Amino acid sequence: DIQMTQSPSSLSASVGDRVTITCRASQGISNYLAWFQQKPGKAPKSLIYAASSLQSGVPSKFSGSGSGTDFTLTISSLQPEDFATYYCQQYNSYPWTFGQGTKVEIK
Amino acid sequence: EVQLVESGGGLVQPGGSLRLSCAASGFTFSSYEMNWVRQAPGKGLEWVSYISSSGSTIYYADSVKGRFTISRDNAKNSLYLQMNSLRAEDTAVYYCARVEGIVRGMDVWGQGTTVTVSS
Repeated sequence: DIQMTQSPSSLSASVGDRVTITCRASQGISNYLAWFQQKPGKAPKSLIYAASSLQSGVPSKFSGSGSGTDFTLTISSLQPEDFATYYCQQYNSYPWTFGQGTKVEIK
Repeated sequence: EVQLVESGGGLVQPGGSLRLSCAASGFTFSSYEMNWVRQAPGKGLEWVSYISSSGSTIYYADSVKGRFTISRDNAKNSLYLQMNSLRAEDTAVYYCARVEGIVRGMDVWGQGTTVTVSS
């Protein structure tokens, strides 16, 4: 199985900050990498697919990059509604696997 | 509006069974692959099972293989997860999620249904 490792596990940031989350795959997954946002008590929401493509309706403050084994999610200017947990997920091969999540908290 | 609505969760004793349903609307259900994903309390997301659009290809996580069965009824726009021999570690919120092709992965999720396995 492909292991996905996110870092950091949590971070504290202020409104307006630029935030970057990294995700590493245990083997190459090309660009079959998605990012999800989850707020407490809610279902995950798809933000990015194919490592760098925004899902429809997702604001451009979110961006993704990477290929192979190393990926990043960047939020350009953190807003109150962005405080949540973010997960990366590989869909290169089954079993699809998720990172452990990164909780973004208010500083 | 594209929508997925799960149902069927509840409290069940260890060793018991439960059948989850996921009702799809707002899109041509028969054209899409589907997944079940779960989340234990306070934990991360775990992929559970996949089914192709026709139902001919199915995959399971090792943690549920032999105990869970995924199925679909395209005429009823519905996805199912039959869960047998339930264990305490199966306690989780279960989500169904649409797969928007091999390029886009999972794009739409339901709101989830809670399964609690406890005596």
